Amino acid sequence: QVQLVQSGAVVKKPGASVKLSCKASGYAFTHHYMHWVRQAPGQGLEWMGIINPSGGSTFYAQTLQDRVTMTRDTSTTSVYLELTSLKSEDTAVYFCARASSRGWPNDPFDVWGQGTMLVVSS
Amino acid sequence: EIVLTQSPGTLSLSPGERATLSCRASQNVTGDSLAWYQQNPGQAPRLLMYGASKRATGVPDRFSGGGSGTDFTLTINRLEPADFVVYYCQQYGSSSFTFGPGTRVDIK
Repeated sequence: QVQLVQSGAVVKKPGASVKLSCKASGYAFTHHYMHWVRQAPGQGLEWMGIINPSGGSTFYAQTLQDRVTMTRDTSTTSVYLELTSLKSEDTAVYFCARASSRGWPNDPFDVWGQGTMLVVSS
Repeated sequence: EIVLTQSPGTLSLSPGERATLSCRASQNVTGDSLAWYQQNPGQAPRLLMYGASKRATGVPDRFSGGGSGTDFTLTINRLEPADFVVYYCQQYGSSSFTFGPGTRVDIK
């Protein structure tokens, strides 16, 4: 079945960097754009950016574009989110989510990973 | 960037009643590219509606969506216990995919 499995919870200190992973299975990895969305404790959903697993092109939310990098590895059907210069405000659950249609970025998110908890604390 | 506003913030209803959730956009949503998600505590969001009025796979017909342009609604008929969670709208028609702040549906 189609699924996205994310890496486990992580604790980092302020100023550090983190790289989260999301492994896709059950479908053609390069056919669907992938997004990253985060959710701070008790808060709403914040879209972070999108990556095209086929060519690797990316587009980031303006508020994060200086600190975020999304990459992909087609050999392992995985996408990665790297966030640098971590702050306490980055404490959140991070989700990867698939765009529903083949080859089209502007579509709803039909499959979600289980989420990865990132805690940034000294 | 398109800003989405959801109202009310919390809706208190009883099982069996109808819920009407509102989502308003700061500018026109291209192609009515508006989705609704349901989120249970501790879980990832689940796609409910897309294209403003189309139900996602497996979503019961008690859920319906409507609206266009800048004003959209999600209606849930005959509320069941599992429906008392949080709902988010999202626009996916522009280069930035924004979410609304959410509406919590509580048991009265």
